[in-house]
Amino acid sequence: NAGVMQNPRHLVRRRGQEARLRCSPMKGHSHVYWYRQLPEEGLKFMVYLQKENIIDESGMPKERFSAEFPKEGPSILRIQQVVRGDSAAYFCASSTDRGNSPLHFGNGTRLTVT
Amino acid sequence: QKEVEQNSGPLSVPEGAIASLNCTYSDRVSQSFFWYRQYSGKSPELIMSIYSNGDKEDGRFTAQLNKASQYVSLLIRDSQPSDSATYLCAVNGVDSNYQLIWGAGTKLIIKP
Repeated sequence: NAGVMQNPRHLVRRRGQEARLRCSPMKGHSHVYWYRQLPEEGLKFMVYLQKENIIDESGMPKERFSAEFPKEGPSILRIQQVVRGDSAAYFCASSTDRGNSPLHFGNGTRLTVT
Repeated sequence: QKEVEQNSGPLSVPEGAIASLNCTYSDRVSQSFFWYRQYSGKSPELIMSIYSNGDKEDGRFTAQLNKASQYVSLLIRDSQPSDSATYLCAVNGVDSNYQLIWGAGTKLIIKP
């Protein structure tokens, strides 16, 4: 049973480019969460999605960031016009429901903006 | 703002001893409680889930939940150097629409 799959594992972008991070949830999971983590800091919630719907995007910056979870295919976190401050680890997690079941995390995407 | 609090540490424990990690939460009606382990540079990994008062044991790990006092703890028996990691407590927040509220984590160091 495959776990949460994230790709790429490492992504290097120059300032001003776009970064696309992909996440395929565990089989049977329809709830997807994206988190950001800076070195030596805690997890920061960004966005929570169910299939085709954004449920909560309160942790996501209003500009340059967007997320989607289409009916078919992986969830995508898109960062436009990246800046150095976007350099971080981005983790995707999935679950079978909202809150009562644990989240299962992917290995993360390490984004480096040069 | 509902909160989950953990001592940031580092908590230093000699090898073979019991490591005790604590977490308090503010949302009285929280129902689900989780402990995750995160090694440096890696993703969080689920260790324990607990949903009712009392103790839940899994191998060397025991989770303890006390809803009246609003705390949940994790005990690690016979601590090993490989247990050195940051331990994250997560609580489902009824008032935050059942999303998980995360503690900042406790860094645990097991000294050989």
